[in-house]
Formats: sequence, structure tokens, C-alpha cells
Amino acid sequence: DIQMTQSPASLSASLGETVTIECLASEDIYSNLAWYQQKPGKSPQLLIYYANSLNDGVPSRFSGSGSGTQYSLKINSLQSEDVSIYFCQQNYDSPFTFGSGTKLEIK
Amino acid sequence: EVQLVETGGGLVQPGNSLKLSCATSGFTFSTAWMNWIRQTPGKRLEWLAQIEDKSNNYFISYLESVKGRFTISRDDSKSSVYLQMNNLKEEDTAIYYCTWNLGGFYWGQGVMVTVSS
Repeated sequence: DIQMTQSPASLSASLGETVTIECLASEDIYSNLAWYQQKPGKSPQLLIYYANSLNDGVPSRFSGSGSGTQYSLKINSLQSEDVSIYFCQQNYDSPFTFGSGTKLEIK
Repeated sequence: EVQLVETGGGLVQPGNSLKLSCATSGFTFSTAWMNWIRQTPGKRLEWLAQIEDKSNNYFISYLESVKGRFTISRDDSKSSVYLQMNNLKEEDTAIYYCTWNLGGFYWGQGVMVTVSS
């Protein structure tokens, strides 16, 4: 199975700051990488697919990058509504595995 | 608007069975690859199963640890997907989500399954 190592586990940043979350796959997943945002009490929502494609309706301050085994999610101009848990997920080979999540808080 | 609505969750004793249903709308279900994913109380996400579409002969894949206990199925005439869960264990306690795989997953609102005596 492909292991997804996500970092950091938690993150605290100020409004307006830029934050980056990283995800490392145990083998090449050929950009088959998705990012999700999960707000408290809600189901995960798709932000980014195929490593860098922004899902419909997602603000442009979210962006994804990476290739091979290394991927990242960047959030520019942090807003209060961005407080969530963020997960990465490889969609290359089953079982489709997830990172352990990054809890983002506002300072 | 894409909608996925799960039903059938609840409290069940260890060793018993439960069948989850997911009714969908807002997309072409017959060509969709459908999945079930669960989230444990500790927030860990675990993919469980996928069923592909008719053109791929409804190919099914499972997480190894649920193979033989869980069965995914679909009814294209009802735009619905199902998860039959047998011999449930306490560690199966989780929120179960129906999802549509489009390169990334679209998720339903989830349904709680609690396995406890």
C-alpha cells in the first residue's frame, strides 16, 4: 500500500499569512493527489485534484503543486473561514490512502 | 447540484450486520465510479471499497482488511450504491461516507455506525 506522510500535524497562523502543508507519498503517484478541507462537523470537501487543479467554487487563494512523491497545498491570505483540518489523498492505486491530516488554526 | 445521501447507520452489536445505502443525484451515476470511505472517531480517513461502471464491468476493489466482510454494490436504475457490512466489530465504529471518484472524491454528509454491546 502507498503510505502518505502529511506535515505538519497542526499549524497556527495569523490572518493574511500564507501557509503550506506538505504530503509525501511512499512511491511515485504521478500527480494523482487530492487535497480536502474538513470543517468541524462537516464532511470533507474537495479542494484540489490531480495535484494542481482547483475544484469548482474553491477560492483562488488555495493552490496545489508537486510531482512524483512530493506535494504541497498553499493557502494565501489566510481567512478565518479557513480554520479546518486538511487531508491529502493519493488516487493512483487502491487502496486509496490518506494523510493523517493537518489542523489549521488562527493565532 | 451533486448530492449523495447516506442512510442505514445506527447502533449494532458486534457480530451483526448492517446495510448502508446512498442515493445520488446531480451527475450521471451510470458512468460514475463510486466508493465508500469511513472516518474513525480519531478523524483518520480509511478508504473501503470502489465499484466501477458498466463499461468497466462493474470492477470492484476492497481494502484488504474488510474483504470478505463488506460488499459494495450499485443499482444504476436507482442511482444508488450500497455497502453490506457483516460480522461487524467494535473497530468498525466510524462515520461512513459515500463518495464519487472524479480524480478526487465528492462526499456525502455521512452516516454514523456504532458497533457496541
